[in-house]
Amino acid sequence: SQTIHQWPATLVQPVGSPLSLECTVEGTSNPNLYWYRQAAGRGLQLLFYSVGIGQISSEVPQNLSASRPQDRQFILSSKKLLLSDSGFYLCAWKTGVMSYGYTFGSGTRLTVV
Amino acid sequence: SQELEQSPQSLIVQEGKNLTINCTSSKTLYGLYWYKQKYGEGLIFLMMLQKGGEEKSHEKITAKLDEKKQQSSLHITASQPSHAGIYLCGAGNFGNEKLTFGTGTRLTIIP
Repeated sequence: SQTIHQWPATLVQPVGSPLSLECTVEGTSNPNLYWYRQAAGRGLQLLFYSVGIGQISSEVPQNLSASRPQDRQFILSSKKLLLSDSGFYLCAWKTGVMSYGYTFGSGTRLTVV
Repeated sequence: SQELEQSPQSLIVQEGKNLTINCTSSKTLYGLYWYKQKYGEGLIFLMMLQKGGEEKSHEKITAKLDEKKQQSSLHITASQPSHAGIYLCGAGNFGNEKLTFGTGTRLTIIP
């Protein structure tokens, strides 16, 4: 079966520290992968998406970057975190079938202090 | 870029009552997705609408896409505590490579 793993679930980091969030998908090949952020009281904002290894599209200029070193691995990074980077980060993947929707991970709650 | 506006932003409904959440797009919708989110958790896919006038139902939840494909509604019949959460509509772009979301509707069910 197809599953998506995202970790860690919770993270508290000081301002200026680096960040690495990892997302992996099982049971499928060549998925589209996505990183979203949900700030407190706000909707979901698409940050990055990838249609293949090494292919990254950035939606919003920011302090973050993404990489896809393997087909089913998607990494969100930052060299120096800002307070405004706090939020709930969600990874998602999409099948080739439109009607099946996008499947989301359980999320990482990042608090920058 | 496509913008999705949801209304209301929050909704408090007595258990057993019906309710409707609306999602309006600034552009034609090529695919409209409805998701539910429990606080602090990931999103659960509810249903997807693609054709103008399309209507889908799952248990007590019905979603419709208008003929012009710019507005969708989500209707819950005889609400239950398990319906509480944040409901989000999302729109796929033409190639369905990415999904952008509305601002969400927070639903609270009171006994």
